[in-house]
Amino acid sequence: KAGVTQTPRYLIKTRGQQVTLSCSPISGHRSVSWYQQTPGQGLQFLFEYFSETQRNKGNFPGRFSGRQFSNSRSEMNVSTLELGDSALYLCASSEESGANVLTFGAGSRLTVL
Amino acid sequence: GENVEQHPSTLSVQEGDSAVIKCTYSDSASNYFPWYKQELGKRPQLIIDIRSNVGEKKDQRIAVTLNKTAKHFSLHITETQPEDSAVYFCAADRGKSTFGDGTTLTVKP
Repeated sequence: KAGVTQTPRYLIKTRGQQVTLSCSPISGHRSVSWYQQTPGQGLQFLFEYFSETQRNKGNFPGRFSGRQFSNSRSEMNVSTLELGDSALYLCASSEESGANVLTFGAGSRLTVL
Repeated sequence: GENVEQHPSTLSVQEGDSAVIKCTYSDSASNYFPWYKQELGKRPQLIIDIRSNVGEKKDQRIAVTLNKTAKHFSLHITETQPEDSAVYFCAADRGKSTFGDGTTLTVKP
């Protein structure tokens, strides 16, 4: 079974630009969650999608958005990038929503200059 | 919302010793408590989990205990090995996982 695939793995953007990250979950997994990981800040929850609907949302500004497609693939978008958005963005998939084992992707490392 | 505190932030032990990492959570509705291990440059991976209807779970050298009344749970690693060196994250889940800030465990040979 293929694992969780995230693209791109690395990207560099400048302040004010926008970025779109993609996550393909494990086949059969319907829930996709997104996390921001920065040194010293652990894993901060962004949002979770299940069956194309946002089920939960973390405490991030509206510049962070996401969506999920009918094949369970998910994208997250960050608009008007700020230096503080530099981080590793991890997505994780699970079979169902909530209280389930998360399988993480390798992450997309975003650097904002 | 849920708040998870994890201690210690760093832990150094000699090979063969035991290591204990503790987490507390605030939301009594949380019912699932996983532990993830993240090796340097790699993705987090589940190592053990426990649900709120169980007090203790063991898998070879690792075990997790849960005290629902006190709202805390702990990870115990016995007979530590250098390959146990990693960052360990606890999480409390009540529909979404809230993670602790992580513990960097170093096992010295």
